[in-house]
Amino acid sequence: EDQVTQSPEALRLQEGESSSLNCSYTVSGLRGLFWYRQDPGKGPEFLFTLYSAGEEKEKERLKATLTKKESFLHITAPKPEDSATYLCAVQATGNQFYFGTGTSLTVIP
Amino acid sequence: NAGVMQNPRHLVRRRGQEARLRCSPMKGHSHVYWYRQLPEEGLKFMVYLQKENIIDESGMPKERFSAEFPKEGPSILRIQQVVRGDSAAYFCASSPPGRGYHQPQHFGDGTRLSIL
Repeated sequence: EDQVTQSPEALRLQEGESSSLNCSYTVSGLRGLFWYRQDPGKGPEFLFTLYSAGEEKEKERLKATLTKKESFLHITAPKPEDSATYLCAVQATGNQFYFGTGTSLTVIP
Repeated sequence: NAGVMQNPRHLVRRRGQEARLRCSPMKGHSHVYWYRQLPEEGLKFMVYLQKENIIDESGMPKERFSAEFPKEGPSILRIQQVVRGDSAAYFCASSPPGRGYHQPQHFGDGTRLSIL
């Protein structure tokens, strides 16, 4: 069964303390892996798309990487405004998007 | 702002009533997706539509739920005879034409449905 698992469920960091979020997946035929940020009461905001193992994407303090089994979202020197829930989604050959339950990130000033 | 527009933002219905949720995709987008999000759960795919066509409804409950995306106007998710278990946040997303499944989906801010 196609599945997406994100860890940790929650993460508290001091401002400036770098860390990584994990998204592991088991799907038949990965078409793409997507990272989103979701703030309370809002819809998910698109961050990155990764299509193949070895691919990396960067945007400000965020960097996403992809292997054949998992993806990492690296956060370098986070700021309080980076606090949000980060969602990972995979698109498989069955055409569906499967979302993980997210990592809730809190950055403390 | 030409983002995905959903309305209403909040909807309260009594058991047995009908709920209609509307979604206007981003300008230039022709693919629409509906998701449901329950507390402590991830977004669950419901249905994928293009103009006047349902492409994939494998995530839709078999009864009481229907969706449409007419040639003119917004996409509508309709829930008939609502029950308490329908209480959730419903999100709409859209993507541009072409290889729809390879494009990132852009989300609206959702409709929070509460059933009394």
